Amino acid sequence: DGGITQSPKYLFRKEGQNVTLSCEQNLNHDAMYWYRQDPGQGLRLIYYSQIVNDFQKGDIAEGYSVSREKKESFPLTVTSAQKNPTAFYLCASSIEAGFTDTQYFGPGTRLTVL
Amino acid sequence: RKEVEQDPGPFNVPEGATVAFNCTYSNSASQSFFWYRQDCRKEPKLLMSVYSSGNEDGRFTAQLNRASQYISLLIRDSKLSDSATYLCVVNRDNYGQNFVFGPGTRLSVLP
Repeated sequence: DGGITQSPKYLFRKEGQNVTLSCEQNLNHDAMYWYRQDPGQGLRLIYYSQIVNDFQKGDIAEGYSVSREKKESFPLTVTSAQKNPTAFYLCASSIEAGFTDTQYFGPGTRLTVL
Repeated sequence: RKEVEQDPGPFNVPEGATVAFNCTYSNSASQSFFWYRQDCRKEPKLLMSVYSSGNEDGRFTAQLNRASQYISLLIRDSKLSDSATYLCVVNRDNYGQNFVFGPGTRLSVLP
């Protein structure tokens, strides 16, 4: 079964801790994205990667970091510098970053800061 | 003004009703347009792309008016399973990092 997996489904973090959210895809897609969703708001882009070993900041990258060491994997670290990290985090992928017409989403990770 | 705006909702309609959602976008250079469906606490899933000529998929019809920068989604013969939030998505150009998501319109179809 091809698709995107995210883990964990729910994550609780104490203030001051860094946490890493996992995103894996077996769709052989070049491009991957991380979004954040808050209630009543549209998804906002955190980081994206067009190709292995390359990634770019999105609209709200402050307090987050990523890596793209393998085509299949694009983990997101929420650092202690992120002021309001409680949100629903969605990972997505597309065949390529250029001229793409569809993004496919993973099931999401719901992060709560205690 | 937000780049993509949608009807605030929620829409509560009886089964079998026809319901229409509206979406406006501010960037006239936008290239491609989509409707995604998002169930409660789940990920968005592509419902349909929106083409200039309009397109239909079963009970769903999407229309695009580039001159007015307006997109619509019509659902005919609503089913209980249509209850979800509908996201209007606009791509500023043809690059994946430039998708802009509207806040969504929630639909509840009532028995």
